[in-house]
Amino acid sequence: QVQLQESGPGLVKPSETLSLTCAVSSYSISSGYYWGWIRQPPGKGLEWIGSIYHSGSTYYNPSLKSRVTLSVDTSKNHFSLNLNSVTAADTAVYYCARAVGLVASVHFDNWGQGTLVTVSS
Amino acid sequence: SYELTQPPSVSVSPGQTASIPCSGDKLGDKYACWYQQKPGQSPVLVIYQDNKRPSGIPERYSASNSGNTATLTISGTQAMDEADYYCQAWDSSTVVFGGGTKLTVL
Repeated sequence: QVQLQESGPGLVKPSETLSLTCAVSSYSISSGYYWGWIRQPPGKGLEWIGSIYHSGSTYYNPSLKSRVTLSVDTSKNHFSLNLNSVTAADTAVYYCARAVGLVASVHFDNWGQGTLVTVSS
Repeated sequence: SYELTQPPSVSVSPGQTASIPCSGDKLGDKYACWYQQKPGQSPVLVIYQDNKRPSGIPERYSASNSGNTATLTISGTQAMDEADYYCQAWDSSTVVFGGGTKLTVL
């Protein structure tokens, strides 16, 4: 069973960059699939941030695209999220997940436990 | 941008059938999937490719997708099914989630 674990600062100052890493175990990122980031503001619904393939190919949420960068490190078997110019509206639980299925039928079959990131001075 | 609309809440009595709709323009022409999320937990995939159940998901979970509406159906609803449910689809190179429906079993 593939396992994913998010890590990174739990507190980020406004206007700074939020950086998170997702470590993947029991599955090699290089073997395939896209890998995604999803966030959930407290008490609200899920919002997809973007997804990345092991080759570096990416898809981004258009509403966040200007501030988001995804990267992957196959040697460490992890992938990362950078979100710049953060505001309080970026406060959320951030999940990483594996995206499976053909592109049109993509779904997330394994999720990390999530990490709360608070944007505050 | 594409939108998926879900009712904020649905209530069902134990043992009865719960139906949770998810609507979007020509959603039936796309694949829909569903996630269950209990308080303080990560989402769990319960349906993919419109009506397929991942291993470990009880048979009482089923779904359909036609026209503009995908529907998640839980037969013989149990207290453990009380949770938030989210639909999700793919449109124009983006993943789209519905706003979520809180299922209350009372």
